[in-house]
Amino acid sequence: DGGITQSPKYLFRKEGQNVTLSCEQNLNHDAMYWYRQDPGQGLRLIYYSQIVNDFQKGDIAEGYSVSREKKESFPLTVTSAQKNPTAFYLCASKSLDSNQPQHFGDGTRLSIL
Amino acid sequence: AQSVTQLDSQVPVFEEAPVELRCNYSSSVSVYLFWYVQYPNQGLQLLLKYLSGSTLVESINGFEAEFNKSQTSFHLRKPSVHISDTAEYFCAVRPVDSSYKLIFGSGTRLLVRP
Repeated sequence: DGGITQSPKYLFRKEGQNVTLSCEQNLNHDAMYWYRQDPGQGLRLIYYSQIVNDFQKGDIAEGYSVSREKKESFPLTVTSAQKNPTAFYLCASKSLDSNQPQHFGDGTRLSIL
Repeated sequence: AQSVTQLDSQVPVFEEAPVELRCNYSSSVSVYLFWYVQYPNQGLQLLLKYLSGSTLVESINGFEAEFNKSQTSFHLRKPSVHISDTAEYFCAVRPVDSSYKLIFGSGTRLLVRP
């Protein structure tokens, strides 16, 4: 079945450590997105990419980095500069057809040790 | 700029009772509207969407939403809820002229009690 796979499901970070969250899709979608979800705040856009080797900052990009070397993959690195990284991270993808919705993965929950 | 307001953070309701989850939006341009559902520790699943045409849209599991342009609302309704409908529901809008920018409300937790 086609879909979006996020791994790991749970992740723990030590102080001063960078961690990378994986997102892979086999939907042949051009666009991919990373969101951060905090209780009571809905989803906020971190980064998005509409084509390989290109990406743009969203509303809360500080302390995060991404790469888009392959169409299927859009990993997110949470750097040590992100002082409050504890959250639920969701990856999404979408075709460039404007009538189509975004499809979401099952998320990664990141916590601080 | 666009914004989405979900007026209720939590809605408790008894099984088989009707429910309405409210969503209002603000936008200076035309938008598409969406409702997503999120079960615990899972991603979001599209419940229904309004792109154009009939202002009443329905999902396969009995939910419906009506686009009201004059009131800038897109409330979600179900005439009879089940325990399995317990989840978080997010309303979202996307400007018609932008294929990427999806703006979410803060979510409403629907809690169905037996």
